Amino acid sequence: GNSVTQMEGPVTLSEEAFLTINCTYTATGYPSLFWYVQYPGEGLQLLLKATKADDKGSNKGFEATYRKETTSFHLEKGSVQVSDSAVYFCALSDRRNYQLIWGAGTKLIIKP
Amino acid sequence: SAVISQKPSRDICQRGTSLTIQCQVDSQVTMMFWYRQQPGQSLTLIATANQGSEATYESGFVIDKFPISRPNLTFSTLTVSNMSPEDSSIYLCSGVPRGNTEAFFGQGTRLTVV
Repeated sequence: GNSVTQMEGPVTLSEEAFLTINCTYTATGYPSLFWYVQYPGEGLQLLLKATKADDKGSNKGFEATYRKETTSFHLEKGSVQVSDSAVYFCALSDRRNYQLIWGAGTKLIIKP
Repeated sequence: SAVISQKPSRDICQRGTSLTIQCQVDSQVTMMFWYRQQPGQSLTLIATANQGSEATYESGFVIDKFPISRPNLTFSTLTVSNMSPEDSSIYLCSGVPRGNTEAFFGQGTRLTVV
């Protein structure tokens, strides 16, 4: 079946550091891939998405590229800020029923 | 996009009682889902809310415990019945608007059962 594996947290970085959160997936067919973010005490927000191979999703300085050959969708940001502290979830969607398969989530802590 | 209003945002309930959570979407959504999120963990799908028919439940979740209604394309409710402390969690609804591929989420309901 479909599954998503993302790196365990917490990930602790200093402000302005480079960020990578790894995400790999297993899926049949051609899923859509997403990164969602959950700020403390809030619901989930879509951060970025990619719907086909080689697509790059980007938003708020974050980027992720849909790599079919490595079944990966790693999240990157060149210079993180304290305000980026949150939990980040990688997910894939089965196009047939729109159900989301979730990674375990990675807590990101940015220190000033 | 879609804006999903979920209420209540939080509640503290006595064991043995029931709580109904409501989600209102500002546009028609094709699919609506209900999730549970235990503290510090990922999301677990409870069920898919089907418009005009019975919800489709995931393994480990049953209709008697989590009855769901979806009377139209913009509204759904989840009831947590006969609550116990193990039901303490965050409950989230989400919807996929027509023509979209991504899901939008309500703000969540933080439930504490005492």
